[in-house]
Amino acid sequence: ILNVEQSPQSLHVQEGDSTNFTCSFPSSNFYALHWYRWETAKSPEALFVMTLNGDEKKKGRISATLNTKEGYSYLYIKGSQPEDSATYLCASLTLMEYGNKLVFGAGTILRVKS
Amino acid sequence: DGGITQSPKYLFRKEGQNVTLSCEQNLNHDAMYWYRQDPGQGLRLIYYSQIVNDFQKGDIAEGYSVSREKKESFPLTVTSAQKNPTAFYLCASSGDRGKYQPQHFGDGTRLSIL
Repeated sequence: ILNVEQSPQSLHVQEGDSTNFTCSFPSSNFYALHWYRWETAKSPEALFVMTLNGDEKKKGRISATLNTKEGYSYLYIKGSQPEDSATYLCASLTLMEYGNKLVFGAGTILRVKS
Repeated sequence: DGGITQSPKYLFRKEGQNVTLSCEQNLNHDAMYWYRQDPGQGLRLIYYSQIVNDFQKGDIAEGYSVSREKKESFPLTVTSAQKNPTAFYLCASSGDRGKYQPQHFGDGTRLSIL
């Protein structure tokens, strides 16, 4: 099983701060990288699916970059708001003989204080 | 609204008992997945199915069984052989097997031992 690592494990910031997290994954046999936001008592919600080296995607105040050659992705949140508080998961897609599977990191827990 | 429905939300298992977790989707997705979450760990894949009447073991399939008789449904049975079943279980589906489209998740079932 390939390892997907996320750092930091948790983060506490003040409202208005900008923040970023890291997702590291094995660069060999890379296929796609997924980011999800998981709020308490809700289901995980997709943020981005990234496939190309150098990819940069944006959704409101959240953006992500991808480096497939060195095996990392950054997620940035600009001007954090309390509603951004959630666990952020990344997952690397692996091709299997029968279908594909996502391997998830343990997540980064973000708490934004107002 | 299209989505994934998991039931029940909470489930309790007695020693030696098999229990079944329900997962239904109306997104017309071919692929469905079952994950287990334990504290401090990423989501781990139990079983997945890319098409009706076919399913494959994931990374931690021992003590679990599934069926895929209908496209909409992918129930998971936690058997008495699973010695440590206490966890949070998430069901997911995806339209294109994950390369370009994200997975869609249910709200989860929390299973505990009586």
